[in-house]
Amino acid sequence: GAVVSQHPSRVICKSGTSVKIECRSLDFQATTMFWYRQFPKQSLMLMATSNEGSKATYEQGVEKDKFLINHASLTLSTLTVTSAHPEDSSFYICSAPFSSGDQPQHFGDGTRLSIL
Amino acid sequence: DAKTTQPPSMDCAEGRAANLPCNHSTISGNEYVYWYRQIHSQGPQYIIHGLKNNETNEMASLIITEDRKSSTLILPHATLRDTAVYYCIVRPINDYKLSFGAGTTVTVRA
Repeated sequence: GAVVSQHPSRVICKSGTSVKIECRSLDFQATTMFWYRQFPKQSLMLMATSNEGSKATYEQGVEKDKFLINHASLTLSTLTVTSAHPEDSSFYICSAPFSSGDQPQHFGDGTRLSIL
Repeated sequence: DAKTTQPPSMDCAEGRAANLPCNHSTISGNEYVYWYRQIHSQGPQYIIHGLKNNETNEMASLIITEDRKSSTLILPHATLRDTAVYYCIVRPINDYKLSFGAGTTVTVRA
């Protein structure tokens, strides 16, 4: 079964709206989570690292004021796309390492965001 | 930048073994080789990973060359549901960040 839950799976909203996406680790604690974005026919691009209890770390070129990340607890990270515009339409995916060491990351099922 | 090179696409027949190559010539001694796959419109699914030794699990086998500069993912009996994009990723032991390249689009045909 899924170990990382992402919600909602799909969002369609008007330009200018802010959209919040939740990522939850199920039955395990994740001090770190990752947010990716994927445009059609492209690969996943890492946007930021979400850290429980501290600020997120953003990759180069990702606007931190545009993509607000909050890691509220050891099982929940949220990504808020503020004042979304059509160019923000994309597939957003989160992930969390299952535990320390060589354990793999597990990914959520993604959120399809469509801005009209 | 992705540190791996994979063929962009490959076809394989249902029921046959699928061998997916990956080059990672600049891999260092403290980096894992991970394989994930992504079925259309879903999040990536973990398949297998290894450091030096060959690995096998219920999904696949991973063969890593002795010099560690390349590896092969083997799906022993491909099914139509194995059609996906397969990503070979090199990841440092102490860093969970994953850098995705273009991957290999695998199409399993009946």
